[in-house]
Amino acid sequence: EDQVTQSPEALRLQEGESSSLNCSYTVSGLRGLFWYRQDPGKGPEFLFTLYSAGEEKEKERLKATLTKKESFLHITAPKPEDSATYLCAVRPNYGGATNKLIFGTGTLLAVQP
Amino acid sequence: DADVTQTPRNRITKTGKRIMLECSQTKGHDRMYWYRQDPGLGLRLIYYSFDVKDINKGEISDGYSVSRQAQAKFSLSLESAIPNQTALYFCATSDPPRGFNEQFFGPGTRLTVL
Repeated sequence: EDQVTQSPEALRLQEGESSSLNCSYTVSGLRGLFWYRQDPGKGPEFLFTLYSAGEEKEKERLKATLTKKESFLHITAPKPEDSATYLCAVRPNYGGATNKLIFGTGTLLAVQP
Repeated sequence: DADVTQTPRNRITKTGKRIMLECSQTKGHDRMYWYRQDPGLGLRLIYYSFDVKDINKGEISDGYSVSRQAQAKFSLSLESAIPNQTALYFCATSDPPRGFNEQFFGPGTRLTVL
């Protein structure tokens, strides 16, 4: 069964304390892995797409990496404004026009000043 | 994202009532989606549409129907609401050149069915 598991469920950091969020996946082929940020009361906001093992993407204090079984979202020297829920999603390769994203349940990140 | 709007933002209704949630977008995207989000379950796809004449079921379409009135408008209906349809509902859009992947979400509708 295709699934996405994110850990930890919640993470509390001090401002400047770097850490990583994990997204483990089991899927029938992978056509892409995606990271989104979701603030309270808002819809998810797209961050990154990763397509193949070894690929890395960066944006400000965030860096996403991908292996054959998992992805990490590294947060370097976080600030309080990085506090949000981070969602991971995968697009399985079912062949043809694959239109399904499988989302994890997210990691709630709180960065304290 | 102000480019994708959803109405209403909050709705409380009773079991058996018909409910319509509306989504409008000014991004000019052809592809539109409806998701629901439940605590502990993540986002799940209800329906998606690649253009006005192309509507497809997602993984949890039972109890829901949709209408794509125009490129910019995609409505979700609950024909006879039940309590387990209480959830946060999101509309999203995407642009074919960028593929299915980078989706732009609306602010959500919080629906409570009593």
